[in-house]
Amino acid sequence: GAVVSQHPSWVICKSGTSVKIECRSLDFQATTMFWYRQFPKQSLMLMATSNEGSKATYEQGVEKDKFLINHASLTLSTLTVTSAHPEDSSFYICSARDSGKNTEAFFGQGTRLTVV
Amino acid sequence: AQSVTQPDIHITVSEGASLELRCNYSYGATPYLFWYVQSPGQGLQLLLKYFSGDTLVQGIKGFEAEFKRSQSSFNLRKPSVHWSDAAEYFCAVYMEYGNKLVFGAGTILRVKS
Repeated sequence: GAVVSQHPSWVICKSGTSVKIECRSLDFQATTMFWYRQFPKQSLMLMATSNEGSKATYEQGVEKDKFLINHASLTLSTLTVTSAHPEDSSFYICSARDSGKNTEAFFGQGTRLTVV
Repeated sequence: AQSVTQPDIHITVSEGASLELRCNYSYGATPYLFWYVQSPGQGLQLLLKYFSGDTLVQGIKGFEAEFKRSQSSFNLRKPSVHWSDAAEYFCAVYMEYGNKLVFGAGTILRVKS
């Protein structure tokens, strides 16, 4: 099956610093990738949709200047949490849609971000 | 608005017993429906999906789900639960408008021996 690799799996950073999370589709091309945030014991909240070669589409209420998304190639999207604060601590998950399979999306293993 | 409802937040079943997790959706067009499983601290794994055709779909790990248009439901079932099935399960519907997945709140499955 298709594999999506997310890195790092966990990260601890100091308040005020920036953190970059990578999402890679390993064996397929993904014109569209999605970034989700999941709070403890809650469902996934879509933050933004990332399209290769164009600007990301952010969901309402998500600060685009805080959560920078870059999708420079068909296999890589990055999420950068800028000037992180403790309230940004969360579980971030990416997913990638196989360009040849339309609606099916595959998920990375997630990144646990802790801001201290 | 499009939505997915999973009425049960927690379900506990005995090992070997049958399981049914409920999912109802609200979507105007023909839905594309998914069930995912998430173990603690992990990403999501696709169990099965329904796009069209046979309304009873088979997935991995012995799971199946039945699409019932009249009830707007897509319930997940397994005839005999194993302890390793303990996890959180998410139902999702794909929205063509917006090109995104909408998830239910999730159901946490506990398996007792």
